[in-house]
Amino acid sequence: AQTVTQSQPEMSVQEAETVTLSCTYDTSESNYYLFWYKQPPSRQMILVIRQEAYKQQNATENRFSVNFQKAAKSFSLKISDSQLGDTAMYFCAFMNGRGGHISNFGNEKLTFGTGTRLTIIP
Amino acid sequence: DVKVTQSSRYLVKRTGEKVFLECVQDMDHENMFWYRQDPGLGLRLIYFSYDVKMKEKGDIPEGYSVSREKKERFSLILESASTNQTSMYLCASSLMTSGRTNTQYFGPGTRLTVL
Repeated sequence: AQTVTQSQPEMSVQEAETVTLSCTYDTSESNYYLFWYKQPPSRQMILVIRQEAYKQQNATENRFSVNFQKAAKSFSLKISDSQLGDTAMYFCAFMNGRGGHISNFGNEKLTFGTGTRLTIIP
Repeated sequence: DVKVTQSSRYLVKRTGEKVFLECVQDMDHENMFWYRQDPGLGLRLIYFSYDVKMKEKGDIPEGYSVSREKKERFSLILESASTNQTSMYLCASSLMTSGRTNTQYFGPGTRLTVL
């Protein structure tokens, strides 16, 4: 079974600074997907960024980027020029890559880490 | 935009009551999921469904059941609520597209308190 570990329960950073959230995972699969989800206080969980394991290039979405180290099974999230609206719980998640067909449906499940509560300080 | 809605944001029930949590998505997604979120434990999958009337157990199905009579609606049922089922419940949905795993979209959550 896959496991996802987020070792930083809480973090805080000054507005406009850069912060990195760590995530490690354990799997014997070679094809999989990794995700970072954001859950703002009292608001809906939304996808921040995703990475396909077969892609060597790190995913980037505006101020959010990942450092994907496949051999080390590490998937950290970097937030540049942090803003007050970045205050949220951040969850790292893993999905087996053999999904997309009913016979493989069990592989569509997400395995989540325990989350990191990030606070941006004005 | 994908929209996933849940019937209640907050719910208070008594021990032993039967509880229904409803989830509706408007994007014709095949896959639907129910998660439970607890501090320090992250999200844990309770049940999921990949088609009408189809269901599969997740990691923590004990004490729960589900129903999917229509494609857009996925219900979580607590047959006899207990205090240890006090939690935040999140519903999610995703497309099933051959050869590609798709993003899950989440509802706003239902915070259930069992007294």
